[in-house]
Amino acid sequence: DIQMTQSPSSLSASVGDRVTITCRANQSISTYLNWYRQTPGKAPKLLIYTASNLQSGVPSRFSGSGSGTDFTLTISSLQPEDFATYYCQQSYSAPPTFGQGTKVDIK
Amino acid sequence: EAQLVESGGGLVKPGGSLRLSCAASGFTFSDYSMNWVRQAPGKGLEWVSGIRKTDGSKHYAESVKGRFTISRDNAKNSLYLQMNNMRADDTAFYYCARGFWSGSGWFDPWGQGTLVTVSS
Repeated sequence: DIQMTQSPSSLSASVGDRVTITCRANQSISTYLNWYRQTPGKAPKLLIYTASNLQSGVPSRFSGSGSGTDFTLTISSLQPEDFATYYCQQSYSAPPTFGQGTKVDIK
Repeated sequence: EAQLVESGGGLVKPGGSLRLSCAASGFTFSDYSMNWVRQAPGKGLEWVSGIRKTDGSKHYAESVKGRFTISRDNAKNSLYLQMNNMRADDTAFYYCARGFWSGSGWFDPWGQGTLVTVSS
């Protein structure tokens, strides 16, 4: 199975901050990388698919980049609803695997 | 708007069985592959099983292979997960999610989840 590692595991930030989360695969996955946001008690929600494509309805403050083994999710200006846990997920090969999550909380 | 609603969770003893259901609405169910993804309380996400739209082929995580069975009824717009010989480490929220799990695929949307607790 492909291993996905996110960094950091947690971070503290303020409303309006620019936040970057990194996801690394232990082998090349081309651009088959997706990002999700999960708020407490809720299901995950798709933000970015195939590394850099913004899902319909997702605010433009979210962006994704990368290919191969290294990927980033950037939130340009953190909003209150963005205090949540973020997961990356590879779909290059089965089984699909997720990173361990990055929790973003209020500073 | 596409929507998924899970049901069937609850408390089950080790070695017991449970059947989860996922009702789909707002999209043509037969046009999509479907999945079950679980999350142990306070932990990360783990893909459990998927069923393809094209040939109905079924795929499983090693952790559940031989114990869980995924199925779908396109006439009822429903996805199911039959869980047998359950273990304590199967305790989790179980989400159904639309999408293909390989290649250029992603999971969207997800249901609200149903909690399964395995305990004596």
